[in-house]
Amino acid sequence: DTGVSQNPRHKITKRGQNVTFRCDPISEHNRLYWYRQTLGQGPEFLTYFQNEAQLEKSRLLSDRFSAERPKGSFSTLEIQRTEQGDSAMYLCASSRFGTGPSYEQYFGPGTRLTVT
Amino acid sequence: AQSVTQLDSQVPVFEEAPVELRCNYSSSVSVYLFWYVQYPNQGLQLLLKYLSGSTLVKGINGFEAEFNKSQTSFHLRKPSVHISDTAEYFCAVGSGTYKYIFGTGTRLKVLA
Repeated sequence: DTGVSQNPRHKITKRGQNVTFRCDPISEHNRLYWYRQTLGQGPEFLTYFQNEAQLEKSRLLSDRFSAERPKGSFSTLEIQRTEQGDSAMYLCASSRFGTGPSYEQYFGPGTRLTVT
Repeated sequence: AQSVTQLDSQVPVFEEAPVELRCNYSSSVSVYLFWYVQYPNQGLQLLLKYLSGSTLVKGINGFEAEFNKSQTSFHLRKPSVHISDTAEYFCAVGSGTYKYIFGTGTRLKVLA
């Protein structure tokens, strides 16, 4: 169990550029979640996948955001035409599908995005 | 709708003193409750969780929490804190669709 990994850890981009983040979940986990955390706030849910299906999207996920999990393994989160308000930490988490202890979400280290 | 309230944004405490970080939630359905810790520029690490059963839950690093359904609370406690406990602590509630709703966090600062 190598844990959830995210790349890159830091990204600085100019306003209007597109950025893509990658998340590799724990290998046997079939649920994958994306959260956004701004300074001084708790993480806010963006979207989640069960295997390759995207089952829920938050209203926070505007048309400029798109997430994929093409083979039910790693996931990517793309932000098009970045805005300064997109600056945040983007966290990925994974879990097994089911109840009880398998409900627990394991978080990656996050990708910190700074839009200048 | 579910929500989580962490009333204390910052809690300073001297080393080896006890601490309690407060968390209240609202939900119309059964909930699962979690406490996570976040060190600077890192992701979240699970401290403990309440899924069902005993209302007193013990976690890692000497932390424990008590689920109180009548008061809709899930306060985090540690009898004696260490400098290394300085971090941000988040309470979260999960149910139904399995997404978590997080509180705004409590910054614990342990003073020497």
